[in-house]
Amino acid sequence: SQTIHQWPATLVQPVGSPLSLECTVEGTSNPNLYWYRQAAGRGLQLLFYSVGIGQISSEVPQNLSASRPQDRQFILSSKKLLLSDSGFYLCAWRLKDRDTGELFFGEGSRLTVL
Amino acid sequence: AQSVTQPDIHITVSEGASLELRCNYSYGATPYLFWYVQSPGQGLQLLLKYFSGDTLVQGIKGFEAEFKRSQSSFNLRKPSVHWSDAAEYFCAVGASGGSYIPTFGRGTSLIVHP
Repeated sequence: SQTIHQWPATLVQPVGSPLSLECTVEGTSNPNLYWYRQAAGRGLQLLFYSVGIGQISSEVPQNLSASRPQDRQFILSSKKLLLSDSGFYLCAWRLKDRDTGELFFGEGSRLTVL
Repeated sequence: AQSVTQPDIHITVSEGASLELRCNYSYGATPYLFWYVQSPGQGLQLLLKYFSGDTLVQGIKGFEAEFKRSQSSFNLRKPSVHWSDAAEYFCAVGASGGSYIPTFGRGTSLIVHP
């Protein structure tokens, strides 16, 4: 069966510090991968998605970036964090060849920028 | 462009009472529709989905949803709510395709009183 792992689960970082959140999917190949952010009391904001290695689409211009160095690995990064980057970050994946389109989510990473 | 509206930010029910969470969507063709549940500090879990066939869909944890094309709605229901159902519920709309990007509603927070 397929599983998705995100780490770290919780992170407290000072303003201006770098960020790296990692997401790995197991048990499948060539998935679509997604990064969402969920701010307190708000819905899901799509940040990036990827349909393949090295293929990244950005939905919201900001100081975050994403990379997909391997088929099942998706990394969210920042060179200098802002207070507004605080939130709950969710990674998700989807099978390309499954036409029903549901996403499968990781457990999330809670980022607090102080 | 596709969109999802969840008109209720919070819903409060008593344990054992029935529940209906509203979801309205906008999409140019027959949509794929989903309901997800998110417990505090967790990722999203798929409750149920509709993509074709019977418009009344059964999901996990005793939930069901009905697709009404004429009303562009996909409301979630449960006949008797349990305290463990307290969570955030998200409706989403999407479609098939390699670059699939689902759209999520803002979520409805369910509070269950004993």
